[in-house]
Amino acid sequence: SQKIEQNSEALNIQEGKTATLTCNYTNYSPAYLQWYRQDPGRGPVFLLLIRENEKEKRKERLKVTFDTTLKQSLFHITASQPADSATYLCVQRGHNNDMRFGAGTRLTVKP
Amino acid sequence: GAVVSQHPSWVICKSGTSVKIECRSLDFQATTMFWYRQFPKQSLMLMATSNEGSKATYEQGVEKDKFLINHASLTLSTLTVTSAHPEDSSFYICSARAGASNSPLHFGNGTRLTVT
Repeated sequence: SQKIEQNSEALNIQEGKTATLTCNYTNYSPAYLQWYRQDPGRGPVFLLLIRENEKEKRKERLKVTFDTTLKQSLFHITASQPADSATYLCVQRGHNNDMRFGAGTRLTVKP
Repeated sequence: GAVVSQHPSWVICKSGTSVKIECRSLDFQATTMFWYRQFPKQSLMLMATSNEGSKATYEQGVEKDKFLINHASLTLSTLTVTSAHPEDSSFYICSARAGASNSPLHFGNGTRLTVT
């Protein structure tokens, strides 16, 4: 079956460190991946999109990579801050426009 | 820009009644809108996709007669939970997309539905 998995339910790191979140997929070939941030009781907010023919995308302290060989996308937040604490969702879109949502990783950045 | 307003933000209703949730794109025209439900600490579950002026496409396992979706204009979609039961209590979220399929999704802030 086709699955999308985010590496862990929760990730705790110290302020200033780099947070790395993982999104893996099996039996599936996404055309592109999107990463969203969701705060409690709110709707997700779009952060970054990366296409299957792109290796890396950056936006300020955020970086996303896409490795179609490993079937994996990594999402990095450098110089993390307590304000970065949230749940981060990986969303994959296939070539026939179907969407798959990861369960999310809850990131906590401790001061 | 690209703001999606969802209303109400929370609602409590009695079992057997119906509840309507509105999703509006405030500053753009949404060709496609999506409805999701989310249980605590779980991912978004896509319920249905609606395109303006046509019938919604429901995901497998979602009862279309229970979750009525209307997308009458390019800026408004509504989800009506009919004959609500306690197991329908959940966080319902809508999203809208302005353009191509790879365009970002713009989400509303969700509606917390509690059925007593």
